[in-house]
Amino acid sequence: EIVLTQSPATLSLSPGERATLSCRASENVNRYLAWYQQKPGQAPRLLIYDTSNRAAGIPARFSGSGSGTDFTLTISSLEPEDFAVYYCQQRHNSLTFGGGTKVEIK
Amino acid sequence: QLQLQESGPGLVKPSETLSLTCTVSGGSISGGTYYWGWIRQPPGKGLEWIGSIIYSGGSYYNPSLKSPVTISVDTSRNQFSLKLTSVTAADTAVYYCARDLLAGRPNWFDSWGQGSLVTVSS
Repeated sequence: EIVLTQSPATLSLSPGERATLSCRASENVNRYLAWYQQKPGQAPRLLIYDTSNRAAGIPARFSGSGSGTDFTLTISSLEPEDFAVYYCQQRHNSLTFGGGTKVEIK
Repeated sequence: QLQLQESGPGLVKPSETLSLTCTVSGGSISGGTYYWGWIRQPPGKGLEWIGSIIYSGGSYYNPSLKSPVTISVDTSRNQFSLKLTSVTAADTAVYYCARDLLAGRPNWFDSWGQGSLVTVSS
């Protein structure tokens, strides 16, 4: 099973700041990586797929990069609605999710 | 707009079978070669993919799951279903149904149900 390790577990930032979230895979997943946002009591929402493609309706402040085993989700300037938990997911071999990064208000 | 809705018992006894159904509206489950999946989330924890199925019945499952799983599809009712047998307390979770973004093999989930909390307890 491909294990995805997300860091940090919690990111404390202020609105307007830049957020950088990391996802590391236990083996090469090529570019088959996605990012989701989840708010309390809600289903996850797909943000980014295939490393860097924004899903429909996702603002341009969200961007993804990386390849192989190291991936990054960047939120260029945090809006109040961006404080949430973020998960990465791979589809290179079966489907697995990372443990999540909580972005909280500082 | 595609909508998915989970339904089923909220409480299941240990060693019994957990059964959930996902009803799809706003689109046909047979409309294209998309996989339809089940994902679960234990309270306060992360996401775990259970398995996915296509309208023709072809399916993929998470090989790491401990409880035996069966996913089936009923195109006449525009539904797909999950059965998890011999459940334990570790199967307590919010269960989501979802549809893939891209056609082909299971991939990214871009349409989700609201989730259904299932508690395993005697």
